[in-house]
Amino acid sequence: EAAVTQSPRNKVTVTGGNVTLSCRQTNSHNYMYWYRQDTGHGLRLIHYSYGAGNLQIGDVPDGYKATRTTQEDFFLLLELASPSQTSLYFCASSDGGGNYAEQFFGPGTRLTVL
Amino acid sequence: GDSVTQTEGQVALSEEDFLTIHCNYSASGYPALFWYVQYPGEGPQFLFRASRDKEKGSSRGFEATYDKGTTSFHLRKASVQESDSAVYYCALGGFRGSALGRLHFGAGTQLIVIP
Repeated sequence: EAAVTQSPRNKVTVTGGNVTLSCRQTNSHNYMYWYRQDTGHGLRLIHYSYGAGNLQIGDVPDGYKATRTTQEDFFLLLELASPSQTSLYFCASSDGGGNYAEQFFGPGTRLTVL
Repeated sequence: GDSVTQTEGQVALSEEDFLTIHCNYSASGYPALFWYVQYPGEGPQFLFRASRDKEKGSSRGFEATYDKGTTSFHLRKASVQESDSAVYYCALGGFRGSALGRLHFGAGTQLIVIP
């Protein structure tokens, strides 16, 4: 079964702070994703990647950078955090880029920007 | 662009009630359609999918039938239990060009089952 881990699980920072969220998957999946989850909006895609060094823009990319350093590791960077980025962040992975691939989600990181 | 609409933000039922959560999609062609479930404190997890017209997906007593005519994939369960309380997401698989590899999620429906 796919294993996706995220760290930290909780993070509090101040406005203007620099935050890095980490995600690792151990099932050799090609695709990795970063989502944010907010009440009334469901899951919204921030960035995704189909391999090391690749980055694709999602639906809500403003204020976020991402980097895929290896097949296993995908990072989300908030260089100047704002209160609007307070949210629950999920990482996910999948083994195919086609129409049918199931995504496996991590446990989430709760970020609070004061 | 491709999108999914879930009309109910929250559904409250008693145990053994029949469940329907509505999902309609907008896309051309035959995108794959998915249901995911998210229990409190966890990430979403795959429930099942369907990829062609009239195909039924099912898992754990839940089912949905892909209907291209009405562009729907409604989730149903004959008799809900308190343990089914969760948030349910309908999703559509991107199948064209730059949309390959991504899912479009609906806003989610919170199911509350009262014992």
